[in-house]
Amino acid sequence: NAGVTQTPKFQVLKTGQSMTLQCAQDMNHEYMSWYRQDPGMGLRLIHYSVGAGITDQGEVPNGYNVSRSTTEDFPLRLLSAAPSQTSVYFCASSTRRGYEQYFGPGTRLTVT
Amino acid sequence: AQKVTQAQTEISVVEKEDVTLDCVYETRDTTYYLFWYKQPPSGELVFLIRRNSFDEQNEISGRYSWNFQKSTSSFNFTITASQVVDSAVYFCALSEAASSASKIIFGSGTRLSIRP
Repeated sequence: NAGVTQTPKFQVLKTGQSMTLQCAQDMNHEYMSWYRQDPGMGLRLIHYSVGAGITDQGEVPNGYNVSRSTTEDFPLRLLSAAPSQTSVYFCASSTRRGYEQYFGPGTRLTVT
Repeated sequence: AQKVTQAQTEISVVEKEDVTLDCVYETRDTTYYLFWYKQPPSGELVFLIRRNSFDEQNEISGRYSWNFQKSTSSFNFTITASQVVDSAVYFCALSEAASSASKIIFGSGTRLSIRP
């Protein structure tokens, strides 16, 4: 099993550009989440999904969209990048409610 | 609302010392889950332990031990005989059973540095 994979590992965007961060898992986990990690702030939940076709907002959803068309994939879309979105983004999955999450390696995004 | 507080921003100790990382949580739920994760300098997040609110037994795994006390809403993590490889950022996290699945709230982390 590859576990949770994320692409790209690094990305630089200009303000106003859009892009999609890819996340995939091969563990048949129902639950997937996107977090951003900023210095001194831990991880903050952006969006999450409890299964294919079902998504919901987390703590900091503004400026981001998600969809879940398959169990395996959970892409995160930045609609119009802003410098405030410079961060490290982690995707995670878990088998079910209340269980530990398995994290991808992260994507380091810089918006100039 | 759920909240996790890790008051220790940074800790630095000499190798072989014992060190305790504090975690205090807030929740109105009676059923919840607590976690500890490790983030080494390489950046990945590594799951260490999960504890549900009905299991207050302390846990020991090698040099690692966890003390869960519902009376003080704390879930502290102790490393015994620390090693340089323990240097990392450690996160405590909370998930409420009543909240939507996979919604885990993290503390801001404690950066642990072990000096040789």
